Amino acid sequence: QKEVEQNSGPLSVPEGAIASLNCTYSDRGSQSFFWYRQYSGKSPELIMFIYSNGDKEDGRFTAQLNKASQYVSLLIRDSQPSDSATYLCAVGGYNFNKFYFGSGTKLNVKP
Amino acid sequence: DTAVSQTPKYLVTQMGNDKSIKCEQNLGHDTMYWYKQDSKKFLKIMFSYNNKELIINETVPNRFSPKSPDKAHLNLHINSLELGDSAVYFCASSQDNAGTVTDTQYFGPGTRLTVL
Repeated sequence: QKEVEQNSGPLSVPEGAIASLNCTYSDRGSQSFFWYRQYSGKSPELIMFIYSNGDKEDGRFTAQLNKASQYVSLLIRDSQPSDSATYLCAVGGYNFNKFYFGSGTKLNVKP
Repeated sequence: DTAVSQTPKYLVTQMGNDKSIKCEQNLGHDTMYWYKQDSKKFLKIMFSYNNKELIINETVPNRFSPKSPDKAHLNLHINSLELGDSAVYFCASSQDNAGTVTDTQYFGPGTRLTVL
């Protein structure tokens, strides 16, 4: 079992729709959860982080964390073609050797 | 004003060579990192370094060594390069100085290393 798992996609949604990206993790001791966006050939950039159970909203983005189910998700409302990228989930805690990225989900937003 | 910069952007070399990649951050951050992203896009953390300690991912071969001349720089040296070292290497930095990975990281543009 991988430490952080994501569906590789591609996930295709029409412009204006809600895109839902999911991530599961194996270490129950994980403390911090991040979503990064990576455009092809570019470096990852942070979208959101979340530390507590529940929802956290920032503009069109909402991160959801459920530690009991070891599940974190990212919702993108009103998806735009410029949102087309690979979304990386990262999970970590207070042990450096337990910080992991998932392999990412490729999102395509069609005009 | 590039926050985290790396040189070179591309590096092509022969097996067995020794090479270095340089990284600089002007964010005033306390901690810098090196990551390897393979062809399947897995990002794997290799090292974390701040002015207090170097933390090494236990799975990284000892052919890889970070060198930090000062707080703003963390260079990556790779000895005896192997075909499997071909990947994109990213440098990153964060304000976090606790030796953990709980803080937002800012990534450099990456260095694509190709070993022939």
